Amino acid sequence: QSALTQPRSVSGSPGQSVTISCTGTSSDVGGYNYVSWYQQHPGKAPKLMIYDVSKRPSGVPDRFSGSKSGNTASLTISGLQAEDEADYYCCSYAGSYVVFGGGTKLTVL
Amino acid sequence: EVQLVESGGGLVKPGGSLRLSCAASGFTFSSYSMNWVRQAPGKGLEWVSSISSSSSYIYYADSVKGRFTISRDNAKNSLYLQMNSLRAEDTAVYYCATGMTAMAFDYWGQGTLVTVSS
Repeated sequence: QSALTQPRSVSGSPGQSVTISCTGTSSDVGGYNYVSWYQQHPGKAPKLMIYDVSKRPSGVPDRFSGSKSGNTASLTISGLQAEDEADYYCCSYAGSYVVFGGGTKLTVL
Repeated sequence: EVQLVESGGGLVKPGGSLRLSCAASGFTFSSYSMNWVRQAPGKGLEWVSSISSSSSYIYYADSVKGRFTISRDNAKNSLYLQMNSLRAEDTAVYYCATGMTAMAFDYWGQGTLVTVSS
């Protein structure tokens, strides 16, 4: 049950796009189309942003998109806004368990 | 509106026990799987345990297997986590989360802090 690998930090200016990667193995990310992404602001509970690799829950802006290729999933945020500054976590189903990434801190410059 | 309210956290000595509860409202609790996810201070999210709607399927992270027990009472719309043989590394905010969307954690509670220290 090893954690998925995410960059520790990414940054971008308002209006730009950023992509956060999430690398796992064929036992988790590569083996199932059940990757989800969560946004967490300081002191708050996480919020579901993407599920099933690329689906957005109701209310999540279409600036957020997800994709997957092989054992790596990605979250892309386009048209960066100040309120997007937060920690982002990827997560994958892996059969009998679930594994999260270590988290990525997004800084909006 | 979906609401999840965790309770039962607190300070406990190593080797001690604690029982967390999660009161659910705003959705048909008995129809969905439920989960516990924790976050150590300043660290990332860690999945702890999941339970299916009828309690038929239960899963645990290796880090808590044999020490923690997840359960639910559909009549009371409540989820529980019995934590035994607690260790310092179990110190974390514990969140309950719904599993309405298959294999994702849709809604989260505000969390309850568990501190294991002598």
